Amino acid sequence: GEQVEQLPSILRVQEGSSASINCTYENSASNYFPWYKQEPGENPKLIIDIRSNMERKQTQGLIVLLDKKAKRFSLHITDTQPGDSAMYFCAASGGGSGNKLIFGTGTLLSVKP
Amino acid sequence: EAAVTQSPRNKVTVTGGNVTLSCRQTNSHNYMYWYRQDTGHGLRLIHYSYGAGNLQIGDVPDGYKATRTTQEDFFLLLELASPSQTSLYFCASTQNNYAEQFFGPGTRLTVL
Repeated sequence: GEQVEQLPSILRVQEGSSASINCTYENSASNYFPWYKQEPGENPKLIIDIRSNMERKQTQGLIVLLDKKAKRFSLHITDTQPGDSAMYFCAASGGGSGNKLIFGTGTLLSVKP
Repeated sequence: EAAVTQSPRNKVTVTGGNVTLSCRQTNSHNYMYWYRQDTGHGLRLIHYSYGAGNLQIGDVPDGYKATRTTQEDFFLLLELASPSQTSLYFCASTQNNYAEQFFGPGTRLTVL
């Protein structure tokens, strides 16, 4: 089936630096790319998303870039804080209807003070 | 914020046991989903539904059945549980395409 590859699986950064997570997808029909943050013991929550008619979106220290030709999208967290430590999942909409999402395998981000 | 609840929150059963996981959303969302979360695999879609009476097969459906009895309620059934189905199960709902999926708190299932 369709897959979304997400790298790295573990990311350790120093507080105040930036962190980047990269994802690639297979289906050229994918047109919606959300990012979810999951804190320990909690459920995933949407933090930012981008549609295929955009190349860049920014909100509250988060930047998402989309390269449709390369089937690649990325999340950049600027000025990381310890509160950013969590699991992050990228996702891409599957082909067809129903808002089916295919999730990446996750990146565990650790921000050291 | 959309409310999605799941029950039970924890469940232990034995191999071959019969388990039903329940999910309810109270925001009249059309779409509901069942995922399992396993380390190294992320979130994988088991079954989903467009509305009451509708069922769509997800990416890892083997060993699972599902039923959407009402707009609000979506059930996941494991009729012959196996240890490979030990996992954290999330239910989610959303109103339409390009909209946020709201996740429930999760059910941790252990099959001995």
